[in-house]
Amino acid sequence: AQTVTQSQPEMSVQEAETVTLSCTYDTSESDYYLFWYKQPPSRQMILVIRQEAYKQQNATENRFSVNFQKAAKSFSLKISDSQLGDAAMYFCAYRSASNNDMRFGAGTRLTVKP
Amino acid sequence: ETGVTQSPTHLIKTRGQQVTLRCSSQSGHNTVSWYQQALGQGPQFIFQYYREEENGRGNFPPRFSGLQFPNYSSELNVNALELDDSALYLCASSPGGPRGYEQYFGPGTRLTVT
Repeated sequence: AQTVTQSQPEMSVQEAETVTLSCTYDTSESDYYLFWYKQPPSRQMILVIRQEAYKQQNATENRFSVNFQKAAKSFSLKISDSQLGDAAMYFCAYRSASNNDMRFGAGTRLTVKP
Repeated sequence: ETGVTQSPTHLIKTRGQQVTLRCSSQSGHNTVSWYQQALGQGPQFIFQYYREEENGRGNFPPRFSGLQFPNYSSELNVNALELDDSALYLCASSPGGPRGYEQYFGPGTRLTVT
């Protein structure tokens, strides 16, 4: 079964600095999708960025970018120019292309210091 | 564009009772998934509905059941509530077509079982 591991329960970053959140996953499949979701204290899960496994190019969405290493099964999120509004729980998620079960990691709580 | 909405926001039930949670999908989305998020953990997939049929199920017992209606809204029903069912229940909708693997979440229903 696919598993997703986020090894950093908590991270902190200074406002305007850059932070990287780690995620590894375990799968025997070759076709899948990876996501980072943000869950603020208001609890609504917001899609931050997505990556299709068949794409070699790393996804980028404004200040958010990923480092997708398919062979290493690693999918880290880089947040540049961190803002106070980036403070939240961040979840890494995996979804197989062959079924509808999305697996989430345990999350990383990001604190942004002014 | 209206996002995913869920009702009620909070709910308190007694062990052994039954509960129904509701979800309205985002406009144009025909697939709805339900997740259980225990405190301090990532969401766990319960099941997914597509065109009113169950289209995938996670490791949850049959007392967790659902429905999807012709307008793509959905219900999650839980019978014989147990204390461990206390959690945030999240609904997510997905569009059809090539972006069907993406999921957009509602704000959740916080269920407390006493």
